[in-house]
Amino acid sequence: EPEVTQTPSHQVTQMGQEVILRCVPISNHLYFYWYRQILGQKVEFLVSFYNNEISEKSEIFDDQFSVERPDGSNFTLKIRSTKLEDSAMYFCASGGIYEQYFGPGTRLTVT
Amino acid sequence: DAKTTQPPSMDCAEGRAANLPCNHSTISGNEYVYWYRQIHSQGPQYIIHGLKNNETNEMASLIITEDRKSSTLILPHATLRDTAVYYCIVRANNYGQNFVFGPGTRLSALP
Repeated sequence: EPEVTQTPSHQVTQMGQEVILRCVPISNHLYFYWYRQILGQKVEFLVSFYNNEISEKSEIFDDQFSVERPDGSNFTLKIRSTKLEDSAMYFCASGGIYEQYFGPGTRLTVT
Repeated sequence: DAKTTQPPSMDCAEGRAANLPCNHSTISGNEYVYWYRQIHSQGPQYIIHGLKNNETNEMASLIITEDRKSSTLILPHATLRDTAVYYCIVRANNYGQNFVFGPGTRLSALP
């Protein structure tokens, strides 16, 4: 059964550094998403992406964040200058008009 | 904000049916009811969705009241592996529409 994959599973970085989180969505899906979950809190939407452009973004998704689909399979989330409060689980999801399928997540720890 | 109300926690006995309620009294005519679950810190897992008819798949059944203001997710034979946070989400099926997660119901399946 196809699934969304994410790498790395855990990323540790220092404050101010750039990080890139990678995702491989399910191959025939057209919509891609990033969500995050701070420890002990709710899953929060960051951004959705369709046809090589952002279709919707939340208030969390500020200028420090960017997304890209550099080739036909990968979907990336870049945080330009990480802050301590960016520490969270980051989930990629892909889908069509109905359900979305989530990846296992990347745990980002900013020190 | 989430448009649904769920009890914060529930217990169920292993082998028995688990019935998880959800209130969505302000649901619009074009909004579907979705259920996801999250086991520990894993990515949310799609369970089932429906518009107005009851639905069943290999994981669960979804019962939606005739007025659509509430629904119940039924896990027919709960096991310890069903211990998770269960999220009831209402969402219109617009392309690129994200999911808004609330706090969900923490289900504990007890031996």
